[in-house]
Amino acid sequence: DTEVTQTPKHLVMGMTNKKSLKCEQHMGHRAMYWYKQKAKKPPELMFVYSYEKLSINESVPSRFSPECPNSSLLNLHLHALQPEDSALYLCASSQVVGRGSYEQYFGPGTRLTVT
Amino acid sequence: TQLLEQSPQFLSIQEGENLTVYCNSSSVFSSLQWYRQEPGEGPVLLVTVVTGGEVKKLKRLTFQFGDARKDSSLHITAAQPGDTGLYLCAGIKNRDDKIIFGKGTRLHILP
Repeated sequence: DTEVTQTPKHLVMGMTNKKSLKCEQHMGHRAMYWYKQKAKKPPELMFVYSYEKLSINESVPSRFSPECPNSSLLNLHLHALQPEDSALYLCASSQVVGRGSYEQYFGPGTRLTVT
Repeated sequence: TQLLEQSPQFLSIQEGENLTVYCNSSSVFSSLQWYRQEPGEGPVLLVTVVTGGEVKKLKRLTFQFGDARKDSSLHITAAQPGDTGLYLCAGIKNRDDKIIFGKGTRLHILP
């Protein structure tokens, strides 16, 4: 099973709402990632979790709050977002982080629209 | 500074033609991946290359890693409309946790 699942597939939220994006993988991977992708651009790394601990935060605003409850799950909590945060949010996982050669498997993404 | 330069940015060709997409850098990468992404979907991993000079084939797709591990190419033979998509190269440098993406090549195969 090389599948990474993400829910919801689409999300529309107001600027005062609080919502969460969810990601799950059952490949035994110990590294999980959140990316943001705007239209016609490559994915931009937001956060990296390694062995359920946050190892990289790419200076992401605090209105995005990641959480890794266990080795299979990754959440992204959203609060007080701005319209410019509208994008495709991608989750990915890989066996480990920092070994110099690893493959990332991506989920289908959550299309987020902030109104 | 864009560490991975992909070219061309856009390519629109007729079905049945051959094409090559390039991914270049001045930096050495310990490995490089190619992904294909369709609109509204996540990138799908096509191949990973790790050894300088390595060539991998995936049906009509041929991937090559440069001898110096600074560049890579993707060659598609007899392109088909199903090959349409965004092709992303991504590299991992030796002591860095982060994967670095190129800006992608948007490929459109006309039937």
